[in-house]
Amino acid sequence: DAKTTQPPSMDCAEGRAANLPCNHSTISGNEYVYWYRQIHSQGPQYIIHGLKNNETNEMASLIITEDRKSSTLILPHATLRDTAVYYCIVRFSGGSNYKLTFGKGTLLTVNP
Amino acid sequence: DAGVIQSPRHEVTEMGQEVTLRCKPISGHDYLFWYRQTMMRGLELLIYFNNNVPIDDSGMPEDRFSAKMPNASFSTLKIQPSEPRDSAVYFCASSLRSGSSYEQYFGPGTRLTVT
Repeated sequence: DAKTTQPPSMDCAEGRAANLPCNHSTISGNEYVYWYRQIHSQGPQYIIHGLKNNETNEMASLIITEDRKSSTLILPHATLRDTAVYYCIVRFSGGSNYKLTFGKGTLLTVNP
Repeated sequence: DAGVIQSPRHEVTEMGQEVTLRCKPISGHDYLFWYRQTMMRGLELLIYFNNNVPIDDSGMPEDRFSAKMPNASFSTLKIQPSEPRDSAVYFCASSLRSGSSYEQYFGPGTRLTVT
């Protein structure tokens, strides 16, 4: 699975959009981008995933660049409850390997 | 659905004792994962099962760790004997493979302290 690079920390004002970047320059054509988050003292929570097209769900939007070497997770209106560590994970969608490898992620702090 | 259930939520034990962590996955899910999280090493996958069969245990740190899944609704992670360096939060997760989705649902974790 391709390696990802994320900033260790970011701040965002409550009510504003939070844009979390992820670099995955070695991603291959059949690898998906997944985002999870972990709120303090809780288990990680799935947010969204995508291959090449932009994706949106009730939690967030995922913007993947045309060359697929980077992506951005967007929380449109961040709240204090969005303070968490956000993990960007790239993995192959096929085969029998079903593992997710979590890196260090980005600690997003939403300030009032 | 109640989500993934783990017990106990907290465990404090002395070095050398046997520790058993328990997990009940979401009903209908066919994958079950055990993770360990520490400040130093982050979130690490220890082992995962598919349809109750262990698929990959390469993350199990040593022979003191063992995991079983006797049926689709129950799994255990056992440490015998326990050591202080095993202190961590242990998460269980379950998943139902569907297309490209690898959405794993995590339990609340068991915080293990070995003194």
